[in-house]
Amino acid sequence: NAGVTQTPKFRILKIGQSMTLQCTQDMNHNYMYWYRQDPGMGLKLIYYSVGAGITDKGEVPNGYNVSRSTTEDFPLRLELAAPSQTSVYFCASSYGQGVYNEQFFGPGTRLTVL
Amino acid sequence: SQELEQSPQSLIVQEGKNLTINCTSSKTLYGLYWYKQKYGEGLIFLMMLQKGGEEKSHEKITAKLDEKKQQSSLHITASQPSHAGIYLCGAAPYSGGGADGLTFGKGTHLIIQP
Repeated sequence: NAGVTQTPKFRILKIGQSMTLQCTQDMNHNYMYWYRQDPGMGLKLIYYSVGAGITDKGEVPNGYNVSRSTTEDFPLRLELAAPSQTSVYFCASSYGQGVYNEQFFGPGTRLTVL
Repeated sequence: SQELEQSPQSLIVQEGKNLTINCTSSKTLYGLYWYKQKYGEGLIFLMMLQKGGEEKSHEKITAKLDEKKQQSSLHITASQPSHAGIYLCGAAPYSGGGADGLTFGKGTHLIIQP
């Protein structure tokens, strides 16, 4: 199993551009998450999904959109990129909910907005 | 909302020495995860603790959750260069549902000096 994969690994955007960060998991997990990690800070939850067709906002959703049309894929869309969105983005998945459900993380996408 | 404070923020340890990283929660912990992040990479799951007084070990790393379930510690014995990285603690939400993601501390940067 590849686990959680993310593309691209690196990206530089100009202010106002848009892009989609891809996330795919092959573990048949119901739950998927998007986090961002800023320098010196912990991970902040952007959006999450409990299954195909169901998504909800996390702590820092402004400026982002998500969709979940399949169990495997959970893309994150940035509209009108701003310098404040410069960060490292991590996608994660888990089988279910509850304290015993370890989240598996992808390798991250490093995004710079200039 | 729950907040996690990690200490120290950074740590430089000579190879072979022992070290401890702490994670203190503003609320009772219902599930505490420890992850390791190598620079520029994703998060690797280390251990999960749930019960007060619980202790788990894997190779040279031991994690404990105090009886009051508000503080966890991660102890590394006889540190090695492979232990270098960022250690993050994450708390499962009160409801026990992992659906709304984990709350993370800011991380502890560990450097091992040869």
